[in-house]
Amino acid sequence: HLQLQESGSGLVKPSQTLSLTCGVSGGSSSTGGYSWNWIRQPPGKGLEWIGYIYHGGSTYYNPSLKSRLAISIDRSKNQFSLTLRSVTAADTAVYYCASEPDYASGTHFDYWGQGLLVTVSS
Amino acid sequence: QSLLTQPPSVSAAPGQKVTISCSGSTSNTGNNYVSWYRQPPGTAPKLLIYDNNKRPSGIPDRFSGSKSGTSATLGITGLQSGDEADYYCGTWDSSLNAYVFGTGTKVTVL
Repeated sequence: HLQLQESGSGLVKPSQTLSLTCGVSGGSSSTGGYSWNWIRQPPGKGLEWIGYIYHGGSTYYNPSLKSRLAISIDRSKNQFSLTLRSVTAADTAVYYCASEPDYASGTHFDYWGQGLLVTVSS
Repeated sequence: QSLLTQPPSVSAAPGQKVTISCSGSTSNTGNNYVSWYRQPPGTAPKLLIYDNNKRPSGIPDRFSGSKSGTSATLGITGLQSGDEADYYCGTWDSSLNAYVFGTGTKVTVL
């Protein structure tokens, strides 16, 4: 089965850019059958879906974050990335990457990374 | 503010049953498939139920899902201490054009 692992900076200054990468093993981020998602969870709070990139490269973003967000994929490295611009303290959260399979009728996330805490602070 | 409402907490003794509700609207739970996730403290969420009532391989049949109208329900039978966790429902919202999660429910085994 798939294994996902987040990496990136755990501390970002306000107004700067948050950049994270998710490495995929046990499968390929370039093959069909999955879309690759980012989800976040502020400390002590619930889950928020950020967006996804399909294996072919098409993207779909949460409208609440769309103006600051970009998700990309690097098939040669079997990884996909998140870029969030102009961050504030409200973007402090544990960021998860997760896979969404095509086989089912509804959207759901079958494999998750362990999560990476990103703190926005000067 | 989440569009999917869950009870903040439920509890029961070991071996008993608990149910967790997830209440939404016609733009989300009423017309889209619901999934459920379990998140033990300090760990990533794990998929328990998808497409309203299907279990991924490896998830025991103690966990069940159902949906009626705009509400979905997760049932856990034979409650164990290892079931203590936060549980979230989730579904696509056709008005927001985004995936939304429920408010979360903390399950306590007495």
